[in-house]
Amino acid sequence: AQRVTQPEKLLSVFKGAPVELKCNYSYSGSPELFWYVQYSRQRLQLLLRHISRESIKGFTADLNKGETSFHLKKPFAQEEDSAMYYCALPILTGGGNKLTFGTGTQLKVEL
Amino acid sequence: EPEVTQTPSHQVTQMGQEVILRCVPISNHLYFYWYRQILGQKVEFLVSFYNNEISEKSEIFDDQFSVERPDGSNFTLKIRSTKLEDSAMYFCASSALPSGSGELFFGEGSRLTVL
Repeated sequence: AQRVTQPEKLLSVFKGAPVELKCNYSYSGSPELFWYVQYSRQRLQLLLRHISRESIKGFTADLNKGETSFHLKKPFAQEEDSAMYYCALPILTGGGNKLTFGTGTQLKVEL
Repeated sequence: EPEVTQTPSHQVTQMGQEVILRCVPISNHLYFYWYRQILGQKVEFLVSFYNNEISEKSEIFDDQFSVERPDGSNFTLKIRSTKLEDSAMYFCASSALPSGSGELFFGEGSRLTVL
């Protein structure tokens, strides 16, 4: 089955510490993968997509086909990074595709 | 910056009542979506809409649900006879490209409480 898995519901780190939010996928073929973020009282928004290979707000994510992972990383966490992070995978269906989200990881950056 | 807007932000209804949630997608977008999130659970896909018809729907989107784009600007989700388990945050989203290729822009959500 095609799906995306985020094993951690909550990740708590201290300011300045490295962050790694885990995402594993199950997909036949070459997946497109995305990270979406929801800050407190704000709407869900795109953080980055693997195909662009860019760093957004200091975050990067590399697609590792061998490990079927797309972990989100940042070398030094900032307080404003506290948010809910969702890994997302478009799943091909008969009607097109649908963007499917993982269960999300709440990142809490403590001072 | 253009945004997806949703109304109402919160609606409380009695079980069995009809509910219509409204969305105004970004004006030049062609693909429209509804997602829902039950408290404490994941964001779940409900339906996608393109070219005035449903292109994909999930098993959640049963006969009690319908979507419509009545006037070229609004995109509505109707629940005909609400159940307790329909209580959730409902998110509308739109995109210029199919969801596999492009960014989805989300509204702030409509919280539905069914009593």
